Amino acid sequence: DAGITQSPRHKVTETGTPVTLRCHQTENHRYMYWYRQDPGHGLRLIHYSYGVKDTDKGEVSDGYSVSRSKTEDFLLTLESATSSQTSVYFCAISETGSSYEQYFGPGTRLTVT
Amino acid sequence: SQQGEEDPQALSIQEGENATMNCSYKTSINNLQWYRQNSGRGLVHLILIRSNEREKHSGRLRVTLDTSKKSSSLLITASRAADTASYFCATDMGGGNKLTFGTGTQLKVEL
Repeated sequence: DAGITQSPRHKVTETGTPVTLRCHQTENHRYMYWYRQDPGHGLRLIHYSYGVKDTDKGEVSDGYSVSRSKTEDFLLTLESATSSQTSVYFCAISETGSSYEQYFGPGTRLTVT
Repeated sequence: SQQGEEDPQALSIQEGENATMNCSYKTSINNLQWYRQNSGRGLVHLILIRSNEREKHSGRLRVTLDTSKKSSSLLITASRAADTASYFCATDMGGGNKLTFGTGTQLKVEL
């Protein structure tokens, strides 16, 4: 398995609180991605990074921000969590972007009450 | 909106049978990838087919791509109970180093 960990694996939080999810890789891959997975929607891209401090928005970026200060870490922050952000969040990495496969982390299940 | 749409949404077969699932997409692509997701786990890459390729094989997997119809199919031969999972197609439309995933096909292989 590719060396990708996500923390926490499960989190319950209240509406209006900030939440940060962490993705850590040991593969030294350039590209890192954050997706959310919801029933009926498949995976949707939130943000991605193509290098340290280089990030771009995905399909569903509103209400989320990201940061990448080191190659190995990609943080996803929900600035003020809402119930609509209850989801399973997956991090993925790729050595060369979309031309090759992505490797996925185990996921974080977030519940916003 | 989703670039890729899988069909059928759910499929139930007996062990030993073949399973075929289809993916249709809307715009031109650089490549199309298939992933598997076991319940409660992350996605695992299965196979990548580039826009200039028509067919690829990997073990019991066979993927075809028809760019004129904007569609791809994934065939799993001689299915096993361990193949029970959700299968997703993902397309690279170019210009962004990102993939767009479909909504998936849930495959159940019964003993």
